[in-house]
Amino acid sequence: EVQLVESGGGLVQPGGSLKLSCAASGFTFSGSAMHWVRQASGKGLEWVGRIRSKANSYATAYAASVKGRFTISRDDSKNTAYLQMNSLKTEDTAVYYCTPTGDGYNSYYFDYWGQGTLVTVSS
Amino acid sequence: EIVMTQSPATLSVSPGERATLSCRASQSVSSNLAWYQQKPGQAPRLLIYGASTRATGIPARFSGSGSGTEFTLTISSLQSEDFAVYYCQQYNNWPPEKTFGQGTKVEIK
Repeated sequence: EVQLVESGGGLVQPGGSLKLSCAASGFTFSGSAMHWVRQASGKGLEWVGRIRSKANSYATAYAASVKGRFTISRDDSKNTAYLQMNSLKTEDTAVYYCTPTGDGYNSYYFDYWGQGTLVTVSS
Repeated sequence: EIVMTQSPATLSVSPGERATLSCRASQSVSSNLAWYQQKPGQAPRLLIYGASTRATGIPARFSGSGSGTEFTLTISSLQSEDFAVYYCQQYNNWPPEKTFGQGTKVEIK
């Protein structure tokens, strides 16, 4: 059974930093790409970014709204993905989800989701 | 970035009636289109992928159609558990951004 557990959310001041974790099990983590998706309260889903597998050089990609401020990394030995968030803004307040996909030549949808972790950026 | 536009924003439907939700892509995404259902306080749930393939365990009353830039999700006979928000998403390999539509809320009429 695929399990994804996000953690690390909390209250942070504008301009501050926070690092989220996503602990994964039940699938081949090292061969998967890992994505982060966020959702502000009462709003829609926004793709944040992804990191590919070692076979694809751990390539990362980010949404324009977070590029240069957020960094995605992974530790395949711990089956965990991370989202480092710097220079946080009030508009980054959201529930953050992680979700895995395949990492080959095909195009992949999101069939598994964690429960999410809430990040609140406020003074 | 590929922009996804859903309509309508809100759909009021009586139980047992048919619901039709639309999703348009700003450029062709072939059949790389998924639909998700989300209920309050829950993570999204995959309903449809490949524009028309139901995910595991999804009832047959949910069907998807379309390709290229125009897509439709149809719920043939709404059940009480189907009242939720529905999102479409394109998942083309390139560009890497996996963009979502803004959602359609299906509410009880």
